[in-house]
Amino acid sequence: GQSLEQPSEVTAVEGAIVQINCTYQTSGFYGLSWYQQHDGGAPTFLSYNALDGLEETGRFSSFLSRSDSYGYLLLQELQMKDSASYFCAVRDQAAGNKLTFGGGTRVLVKP
Amino acid sequence: NAGVTQTPKFQVLKTGQSMTLQCAQDMNHEYMSWYRQDPGMGLRLIHYSVGAGITDQGEVPNGYNVSRSTTEDFPLRLLSAAPSQTSVYFCASRPRGGVKEKLFFGSGTQLSVL
Repeated sequence: GQSLEQPSEVTAVEGAIVQINCTYQTSGFYGLSWYQQHDGGAPTFLSYNALDGLEETGRFSSFLSRSDSYGYLLLQELQMKDSASYFCAVRDQAAGNKLTFGGGTRVLVKP
Repeated sequence: NAGVTQTPKFQVLKTGQSMTLQCAQDMNHEYMSWYRQDPGMGLRLIHYSVGAGITDQGEVPNGYNVSRSTTEDFPLRLLSAAPSQTSVYFCASRPRGGVKEKLFFGSGTQLSVL
């Protein structure tokens, strides 16, 4: 099976940088993905790391280290609209098509 | 394209009542799934389907039934609602190819069981 751990809440000011860590335990592993969910909204896909290293998409970057069973989502130049919950997720080789989510990190951006 | 459409958006049930949450997608996605979301617990997989006529259980299947008679539709049935099923329910889909971690979610159904 899998378990994913991420912090429950992070607060930062506009323009700052926030790093959301995700540690996982799986019996097999395809890669690490990240989703964003605004209050009252649906989760939306942000990124996917199949290989070790950093993937950059605009102000957001995602990192994976398979040897450390660890990844993070980096939010740069924070904007008010980035206030949302962020979930890491893994698809386990033993679990086939099932995508398992972490508990989510609520990011609050203050002026 | 409408994407993934869920109905209803809100529903209140009494304990013991039954109902069906509807999910439809117009993207010809083979994979469809149902998640429930409770505060602080992320999204938990209830049931999923890899194609018409094929369904399988997820992490929390008890109390829920599904069927997949067409590629487009994947309804979730609550046979006898319980207060523990109060939650927000999301339907999600993805195509056969591409990144299997990239799901497309519907807007959700907020269900309260009294």
